[in-house]
Amino acid sequence: AQSVTQLDSQVPVFEEAPVELRCNYSSSVSVYLFWYVQYPNQGLQLLLKYLSGSTLVESINGFEAEFNKSQTSFHLRKPSVHISDTAEYFCAVNQGGKLIFGQGTELSVKP
Amino acid sequence: DTEVTQTPKHLVMGMTNKKSLKCEQHMGHRAMYWYKQKAKKPPELMFVYSYEKLSINESVPSRFSPECPNSSLLNLHLHALQPEDSALYLCASSLGQGTYNEQFFGPGTRLTVL
Repeated sequence: AQSVTQLDSQVPVFEEAPVELRCNYSSSVSVYLFWYVQYPNQGLQLLLKYLSGSTLVESINGFEAEFNKSQTSFHLRKPSVHISDTAEYFCAVNQGGKLIFGQGTELSVKP
Repeated sequence: DTEVTQTPKHLVMGMTNKKSLKCEQHMGHRAMYWYKQKAKKPPELMFVYSYEKLSINESVPSRFSPECPNSSLLNLHLHALQPEDSALYLCASSLGQGTYNEQFFGPGTRLTVL
């Protein structure tokens, strides 16, 4: 069975600083990876996904993630964060139609 | 229309009540999901419907009863719940149940069981 590990439960960072949220998955023949964001008191929104092709995927709000097969990682990065990026971030792998989530990383952006 | 809607937003119920949560999507998706999310935890899958048939039941207690009346609607009937069932209940949908399909989530129903 697949599993996902998010190494940091909380990441505090100052506004305009770069950030990296780490995600590792258990290896498999083919992997479909997702990053979801959950703002306070809301549902989950898809941030970006890796299905195949280019290992670097980007979202419309400046986040990017790189699929690294040799390190079984899918880390999320943003070069300059905003206060509005404060949220819970979940990495997930799709296994047979079931989303297997990591434990989540709480990103807290301070002024 | 690219969203999943859920009603009600908040629900408070006693342990002897019967209530229902409703989820709707008009994206033509054929797979629909119920998740339960406790505070500071990731969502946990409860049920999956594919083409209006129950595809996955993650050993959920029978006090939770799902129903998929048509391809756009998904209900979750609640009866004799326990206080530990208090959580955010999220509905999601996807084009199909395949591994490459992204799931679209609704805003959730915040359930409190007294």
